[in-house]
Amino acid sequence: SQQGEEDPQALSIQEGENATMNCSYKTSINNLQWYRQNSGRGLVHLILIRSNEREKHSGRLRVTLDTSKKSSSLLITASRAADTASYFCAPSRDNYGQNFVFGPGTRLSVLP
Amino acid sequence: DVKVTQSSRYLVKRTGEKVFLECVQDMDHENMFWYRQDPGLGLRLIYFSYDVKMKEKGDIPEGYSVSREKKERFSLILESASTNQTSMYLCASQAGAATNEKLFFGSGTQLSVL
Repeated sequence: SQQGEEDPQALSIQEGENATMNCSYKTSINNLQWYRQNSGRGLVHLILIRSNEREKHSGRLRVTLDTSKKSSSLLITASRAADTASYFCAPSRDNYGQNFVFGPGTRLSVLP
Repeated sequence: DVKVTQSSRYLVKRTGEKVFLECVQDMDHENMFWYRQDPGLGLRLIYFSYDVKMKEKGDIPEGYSVSREKKERFSLILESASTNQTSMYLCASQAGAATNEKLFFGSGTQLSVL
């Protein structure tokens, strides 16, 4: 298994601004997922991007994947206070849950 | 939507006690997982299960055991709790690797061992 490393560790922005978080990984993947965790709660799946995709959108979320650089980014546009949470990437070489390895996450604070 | 329910949000136990953390999912998912989450370390996989009465060790199984007597229920057992097992414990389920890749998480149990 391999771990995704999110960057930055913490990010603080004003409401309405865009937030960009990055994820790097080390080996070939089948897909990469992003999850959100509100403080003291479980993780919630946001979006999955497959290795043959370069970009994917879901509402205010935009995910990109660059397999040549082994990196992904998550962009949240027009951020809201409710977006305050930790965000985790989980790269995986297959669909088996035990191979989804979560890094320490990016802590996003959206200030009103 | 899938619901993964963990029996306790907060739990305080004494060193040496036997601790049971229960997790139930309501969508007939094949796969279930137990993680612990500590600041700066991300989620670490303790055990997982692909079927009833089946279990596999994850990355940090020492000091833990699991039980899956029914498909919907996956229990994590701390045979003799120690202070270094103070952590947030998260349960997750997955429909199956061939059908739906994403994980569904419970709300977590914050365990304090004194």
